[in-house]
Amino acid sequence: NAGVTQTPKFQVLKTGQSMTLQCAQDMNHEYMSWYRQDPGMGLRLIHYSVGAGITDQGEVPNGYNVSRSTTEDFPLRLLSAAPSQTSVYFCASSYQGQGGYGYTFGSGTRLTVV
Amino acid sequence: GENVEQHPSTLSVQEGDSAVIKCTYSDSASNYFPWYKQELGKGPQLIIDIRSNVGEKKDQRIAVTLNKTAKHFSLHITETQPEDSAVYFCAASTSGGGADGLTFGKGTHLIIQP
Repeated sequence: NAGVTQTPKFQVLKTGQSMTLQCAQDMNHEYMSWYRQDPGMGLRLIHYSVGAGITDQGEVPNGYNVSRSTTEDFPLRLLSAAPSQTSVYFCASSYQGQGGYGYTFGSGTRLTVV
Repeated sequence: GENVEQHPSTLSVQEGDSAVIKCTYSDSASNYFPWYKQELGKGPQLIIDIRSNVGEKKDQRIAVTLNKTAKHFSLHITETQPEDSAVYFCAASTSGGGADGLTFGKGTHLIIQP
């Protein structure tokens, strides 16, 4: 199993450009989420999903859109990139069961907006 | 919303000594408390977690304690080794499996001195 796969690993955008960060999981997890990590700030929740067709906002949702058409995929869209969105982005998936929650992170996408 | 405070921000210990990282949380409804280790350039990896119905959990050299009354939880690493050097994050969730995401502390940079 690959776990949580994020693409691309690195990306440079110009201000105003749009792009989609891809996230896929092959563990059949119900829950998926996106975080951004900035120096000294820990990880902050952008958007999350509790199942296909259901999404909701986290702590820092402005400037980002998500959708979840399948259990496996949870893409994050930047419609008009801004320098403040320069960050490392992590996708995670999890489930809720007797054995635990399996909260698993991908390896991240490092995004620079110039 | 939930707020998680983590201390210290940097911790330097001699190899073989113990390390303790402490976190406090604000929302008494939080019921799941994971700890993550993040190495440079990688995503966070779950190292241990605890649910609110348990006061302590141990896995080899790593242990976590939870005090629900005081709303704080701690990570204990004994017999530290060079490979323990990393950034450690605590987190809290009100939804058990993290269905609606995790709230993270800002991280502790653990340095193991040889």
